[in-house]
Amino acid sequence: GQQLNQSPQSMFIQEGEDVSMNCTSSSIFNTWLWYKQDPGEGPVLLIALYKAGELTSNGRLTAQFGITRKDSFLNISASIPSDVGIYFCAGENSGGGADGLTFGKGTHLIIQP
Amino acid sequence: GAVVSQHPSWVICKSGTSVKIECRSLDFQATTMFWYRQFPKQSLMLMATSNEGSKATYEQGVEKDKFLINHASLTLSTLTVTSAHPEDSSFYICSASLRERYEQYFGPGTRLTVT
Repeated sequence: GQQLNQSPQSMFIQEGEDVSMNCTSSSIFNTWLWYKQDPGEGPVLLIALYKAGELTSNGRLTAQFGITRKDSFLNISASIPSDVGIYFCAGENSGGGADGLTFGKGTHLIIQP
Repeated sequence: GAVVSQHPSWVICKSGTSVKIECRSLDFQATTMFWYRQFPKQSLMLMATSNEGSKATYEQGVEKDKFLINHASLTLSTLTVTSAHPEDSSFYICSASLRERYEQYFGPGTRLTVT
């Protein structure tokens, strides 16, 4: 099946620093999604990308859908304490109806005071 | 908008019993609902896709007779874990997608512990 390689696995940063994480796939996806999950809760959608090359922002978050359709990155600028959590990329390959998502293994963001 | 709820948020049951988990889309009609399972410190793994009024589609390796899914309406899907065993202990999360859009909105999850 399809697999997503997400990196880095974890990040230890200082408050105020910028963050960058990415996902790559061995196969093409039609939709890339980025989620954040806090402990004991469900993932919350951050950004959805639908077109190759698309660059989308949501506040301090920016994500891009790679031209090859096999990769995506998420940047967080000027990190703050509430950014702590696990970030997942997810790909979807719907052929006309919604399909289940394939998730990356997550990037654990830790912010040191 | 796009709020998904789950009930219960956590449940403890004895081995051999069955547990039902509900997933509801509160402010929209969901074309499709999905069930995922997440073990500690791991990612989400898709278990099954549920379309209203039709049989669920299960991922390879997921026993359909053990994980019964019913999608009775456009706002409600249920997952029943039958004859639960300790290895079924996990975090079960549902999601729902809006018509015409492929992004999925997740419920808060249900923590199942089988003793």
